[in-house]
Amino acid sequence: DTEVTQTPKHLVMGMTNKKSLKCEQHMGHRAMYWYKQKAKKPPELMFVYSYEKLSINESVPSRFSPECPNSSLLNLHLHALQPEDSALYLCASSRRDRQETQYFGPGTRLLVL
Amino acid sequence: SQQGEEDPQALSIQEGENATMNCSYKTSINNLQWYRQNSGRGLVHLILIRSNEREKHSGRLRVTLDTSKKSSSLLITASRAADTASYFCATVGEFGNEKLTFGTGTRLTIIP
Repeated sequence: DTEVTQTPKHLVMGMTNKKSLKCEQHMGHRAMYWYKQKAKKPPELMFVYSYEKLSINESVPSRFSPECPNSSLLNLHLHALQPEDSALYLCASSRRDRQETQYFGPGTRLLVL
Repeated sequence: SQQGEEDPQALSIQEGENATMNCSYKTSINNLQWYRQNSGRGLVHLILIRSNEREKHSGRLRVTLDTSKKSSSLLITASRAADTASYFCATVGEFGNEKLTFGTGTRLTIIP
């Protein structure tokens, strides 16, 4: 299984809502990532988890809260988002070494009203 | 930032022609990777080339790396309509930098 899955595919939320994005992989990868991508722009790294520990936080606002419950799952909890947070949120994983190939999920398209 | 710049930003060619995209970056790297993204979807890894390699092939793809010029190119031969996508180069820093830093991307359109 070489797939990274993400749910939901689409999400519309108000600025006062709390929602979560979910990412799952069963490739035995030990590094997992969250990226944010705006239209016609490259992905921007948000967080890196390595062996289930947060290793990189790219100065992301606290309204985004990542969680790695186990080696296969990665969540991104959303609270009090702003309209400018509307974007495609991509999850990725890599085997062990963070310099290696990353496998991306299809993304969650988020719209904040 | 060692974000890469890609050239051209957009490219339209006839099906069957070859497509070449270029990537330049700013600082020394461990490796450089190319990814493809179909419209609004996730990214798919194409090729990884390490800093001590100069050229790699995978099917219709050929990647070159010139570390002295801090540049790379991706050649897609005999293009197909299904190759229509955005292509990104991404670099990993020389000293084990954990970040994969993406270039600005090239939007490739194959005209049937």
